[in-house]
Amino acid sequence: AQRVTQPEKLLSVFKGAPVELKCNYSYSGSPELFWYVQYSRQRLQLLLRHISRESIKGFTADLNKGETSFHLKKPFAQEEDSAMYYCALAVSSFGNEKLTFGTGTRLTIIP
Amino acid sequence: SAVISQKPSRDICQRGTSLTIQCQVDSQVTMMFWYRQQPGQSLTLIATANQGSEATYESGFVIDKFPISRPNLTFSTLTVSNMSPEDSSIYLCSGGGRGSETQYFGPGTRLLVL
Repeated sequence: AQRVTQPEKLLSVFKGAPVELKCNYSYSGSPELFWYVQYSRQRLQLLLRHISRESIKGFTADLNKGETSFHLKKPFAQEEDSAMYYCALAVSSFGNEKLTFGTGTRLTIIP
Repeated sequence: SAVISQKPSRDICQRGTSLTIQCQVDSQVTMMFWYRQQPGQSLTLIATANQGSEATYESGFVIDKFPISRPNLTFSTLTVSNMSPEDSSIYLCSGGGRGSETQYFGPGTRLLVL
């Protein structure tokens, strides 16, 4: 069965320092991975997805199939980056497609 | 993109009763899903809401406890039946395309069962 692992439940980083939120997955098929973010008092929203290979709000994530990882990175943290971050894997099972989420990492940026 | 609304936003219910949560999308979407997010935990998929047919439930979730309707491409309901305090949670609806397409989430319904 598929699984998404985010080893850090909490992560605190000083403003201006680099950020890396870890995500590892296990899936026998071809993975499609996403990062979702939930800011305080807001709904869950898509941050980025690996097939787009884009940078959103300074964040990037590279799919490493060898290490089965999809870590989220930003070179210089900003206070507004404080939020809950979820890594998610899209899987297809018997024609039913769905997202499997990791347990999330709460990122706090220290001013 | 799609904007998803849910009603009610929160409720406090007595054990043994049932609550129906509505999810409305402002545009037609292929897929709709229902999730549960228990306090301090991640999102757990309850089921895929299929238009015009029975929902597809994940392991550990059954239709008798969580009946789901999806009469068209923009609307779905989730009922939490015969509630117990263990059902206290946030229930989230999402909608979007297939596979790698973006899923858009509703604001959630915060349920407390006494």
